[in-house]
Amino acid sequence: AQSVTQPDIHITVSEGASLELRCNYSYGATPYLFWYVQSPGQGLQLLLKYFSGDTLVQGIKGFEAEFKRSQSSFNLRKPSVHWSDAAEYFCAVGAYTGTASKLTFGTGTRLQVTL
Amino acid sequence: NAGVTQTPKFQVLKTGQSMTLQCAQDMNHNSMYWYRQDPGMGLRLIYYSASEGTTDKGEVPNGYNVSRLNKREFSLRLESAAPSQTSVYFCASRGTAGPEAFFGQGTRLTVV
Repeated sequence: AQSVTQPDIHITVSEGASLELRCNYSYGATPYLFWYVQSPGQGLQLLLKYFSGDTLVQGIKGFEAEFKRSQSSFNLRKPSVHWSDAAEYFCAVGAYTGTASKLTFGTGTRLQVTL
Repeated sequence: NAGVTQTPKFQVLKTGQSMTLQCAQDMNHNSMYWYRQDPGMGLRLIYYSASEGTTDKGEVPNGYNVSRLNKREFSLRLESAAPSQTSVYFCASRGTAGPEAFFGQGTRLTVV
C-alpha cells in the first residue's frame, strides 16, 4: 500500500531564510508525487508534481522539489521564504487504479514565517 | 473559471440528522473524489468515482454514501450524522492529462 510521511508537524522560519520540508513515501513502483499548499480556510492548491524525467522539478511561487529514489524522498525547497508562504503543506503520492488515480496524503507540515 | 465548486461552505448538524454535500466540476473531468481533513491526519479518501456511473470505497467510507449524478456532479450523503463526522470535507476531480487532483474550497461540517 502507498503511504506518505511528513516528519515535521510544524516548522518556523524567518522571512528571507531558506526552507526545506521533508517528505518520504512508500510505493511499489515509480511514483507520481505532488506537493500541495493550503492557506487557512482554503482548498488545496497544487505547487508542483513529479512523474518522470528530471528529478528536480520547479513549481509555482518559487518552490522546487527533488525526487530521490534511493531515499524514497521528495523534499520541497525554497531559497528565500516570504511571509505569504505561511500555510500548511501536503505531500502526496498518486497511483493509477484502473481508470482512476487515488492520491494518498501525508499529515501535513504547518509553516510559520516570522518577520 | 469555477473549477470545483462545493456547497454548502459551512454546516452545523445535530446528531442523527442527514444531509448531502454537493460537488460540481466544470473541467470535464472523469474522476471525482471526496476527502475528509482532520487535524494531524491529513486528507483521507472517503469515496471516489472513476467515471460517470461508477463509485468505489476509499479509506474511510463508513457512515457515508455517494452518488455520481452525472459527469459534473458527485454528492456525499451522511444518513445519520455523528460527532465523529465533524470535519472539513473536500471534493476533488481529475482529468486525463495527469493524476493530479483539483480541489474545491471545502465544506466545514460540525455535528453536535
